[in-house]
Amino acid sequence: GEDVEQSLFLSVREGDSSVINCTYTDSSSTYLYWYKQEPGAGLQLLTYIFSNMDMKQDQRLTVLLNKKDKHLSLRIADTQTGDSAIYFCAETSLSGGYNKLIFGAGTRLAVHP
Amino acid sequence: DAGVTQSPTHLIKTRGQQVTLRCSPKSGHDTVSWYQQALGQGPQFIFQYYEEEERQRGNFPDRFSGHQFPNYSSELNVNALLLGDSALYLCASSPRRRASNEQFFGPGTRLTVL
Repeated sequence: GEDVEQSLFLSVREGDSSVINCTYTDSSSTYLYWYKQEPGAGLQLLTYIFSNMDMKQDQRLTVLLNKKDKHLSLRIADTQTGDSAIYFCAETSLSGGYNKLIFGAGTRLAVHP
Repeated sequence: DAGVTQSPTHLIKTRGQQVTLRCSPKSGHDTVSWYQQALGQGPQFIFQYYEEEERQRGNFPDRFSGHQFPNYSSELNVNALLLGDSALYLCASSPRRRASNEQFFGPGTRLTVL
């Protein structure tokens, strides 16, 4: 089946690192994505990782993938108030060669001084 | 380079009415997907269009239909609106031939059904 789960809320102090976790069930997922959504806005693609990779780093963002446990995490270094948003994990489900994204419910990140 | 654009930004309808939402994909993208995001939830896949045909469909009733035009833009139509159709409707575009198939989202259309 297809299901993506995330913790709903995370609060961090400005300057600390944030780690947002996600688990997924579809073992055939080929790509996994992290999106950011600010209030009243659409989704911004932050980064993605191919399923044969363990880690991907992109400036302040680090994605870790444990394929055996179907666990994905997003680490944001030196978290800033502008990082306050909802973060969605998504997996690609390839069906007949056409992809669709399966999203988690989102993790609300609150950054406080 | 314009990103994904959607119109209108907000819409208020009453139960039983019909609505049409529009989407223009990012330049160079030929595949358009539509998602429904209810308040406090993640986006749910409605359907995907490529080469002017519906290629995949999520678990949505036939009241939800769509169209893709030769210039790759797309419309989402919802008939016989229900209160539960109130949501943010997101359009995403992607290039079919790129293996990573990143989908880029528009700002969405906020639909309120009264």
